[in-house]
Amino acid sequence: KQEVTQIPAALSVPEGENLVLNCSFTDSAIYNLQWFRQDPGKGLTSLLLIQSSQREQTSGRLNASLDKSSGRSTLYIAASQPGDSATYLCAVEYGNKLVFGAGTILRVKS
Amino acid sequence: EAGVAQSPRYKIIEKRQSVAFWCNPISGHATLYWYQQILGQGPKLLIQFQNNGVVDDSQLPKDRFSAERLKGVDSTLKIQPAKLEDSAVYLCASSLGSGMVTEAFFGQGTRLTVV
Repeated sequence: KQEVTQIPAALSVPEGENLVLNCSFTDSAIYNLQWFRQDPGKGLTSLLLIQSSQREQTSGRLNASLDKSSGRSTLYIAASQPGDSATYLCAVEYGNKLVFGAGTILRVKS
Repeated sequence: EAGVAQSPRYKIIEKRQSVAFWCNPISGHATLYWYQQILGQGPKLLIQFQNNGVVDDSQLPKDRFSAERLKGVDSTLKIQPAKLEDSAVYLCASSLGSGMVTEAFFGQGTRLTVV
């Protein structure tokens, strides 16, 4: 069964701190992995997409890594800001089907 | 580039009533998805279309849910009759198509409350 797990479920940090969100998946036969951000009452915004042949992707203060062999991905956020507060979802693509984790609720305190 | 459009944004209905949601994907995107997101959970795929054909509807409760994508563009998702446990956000997403490594783009979602 293809399952995606995200740890921690919730995280609260002071502004300026660097942080890591974790995602693990049971089936390593992935096409790609995508990190999304979801604000309350809103849809999902794509942050980063890592192809199965890649090890990492970077966008501004965000860096996502992928280790297929261990079934893990991390999302690193540098110098966190209150505006980063949101739910972060990891989604793994299997044959054009996206399987989502339950998300990590991030709160950055000013 | 216009994003994925969904309507309505919010809907409140009584149980046993019917409801329909509409989605217009990004122009040129062959693949369209409907997801159900219950509060506190990640989105769960209900149905996936490739153009106007169904690719995966294994998690669609077919006794009450139906979806169509006429002409391979817009799509509607219907629930009839609704149950209390159908309260959720219904998200539509689109991507360029299968066989490629492509990003999925999501609409704002429709928040359904069944009372």
